[in-house]
Amino acid sequence: EVQLVESGGGLVQPGGSLRLSCAASGITLSAYWMTWVRQAPEKGLEWVANIKQDGSEKYYVDSVKGRFTISRDNAKNSLYLQMNSLRAEDTAVYYCGRRGASGDWVANWGQGTLVTVSS
Amino acid sequence: DIQMTQSPSSVSASVGDRVTITCRASQGISSWLAWYQQKPGKAPILLIYAASSLHGGVPSRFSGSGSGTDFTLTISSLQPEDFATYYCQQANSFPFTFGPGTKVDIK
Repeated sequence: EVQLVESGGGLVQPGGSLRLSCAASGITLSAYWMTWVRQAPEKGLEWVANIKQDGSEKYYVDSVKGRFTISRDNAKNSLYLQMNSLRAEDTAVYYCGRRGASGDWVANWGQGTLVTVSS
Repeated sequence: DIQMTQSPSSVSASVGDRVTITCRASQGISSWLAWYQQKPGKAPILLIYAASSLHGGVPSRFSGSGSGTDFTLTISSLQPEDFATYYCQQANSFPFTFGPGTKVDIK
């Protein structure tokens, strides 16, 4: 069974930093593109970032470019999201996800970790 | 960016009803569309990918159709566990955008 488990969320002040982790089991992460998707409280879903199997390609939504960095450690079967210069509008549940085999949909989701940016 | 719209924004239905949700893309996306179900406090789950392919383990009462800019998700006979919010998502070009969601609740 595929399991993705996020950690690292919490309360942070505006301008602060946080690093999210996603540990995978039941799959070999190195075989898949991986993604982060977020959901602000009572709002819809927003695709944040993608990373290729070997980390050679990364894509970010405009609102986080230059502030967030997606990375992976295939030896540890883990995905990361380094978030800097955090803003109130970054407050959300952050989900890691595994890209589908045939297209850019999220075939498997983690349970999510809540990031709250507030003073 | 490609904008995704959904209609209706909410629908009240009874167990056994047929429910249809529509998703429209601001430009053609071929069949690069997925549908997800999300229940309160839970992560979304993939229902349909490539516009009409059923994801593994998803009941056959769910079906998807469409291509280009107009798509539909149909639940043929609504079950109690289907009351949730449904999102479409375009997978044609980054950033991969989601629709605003359609909430299906109990009439």
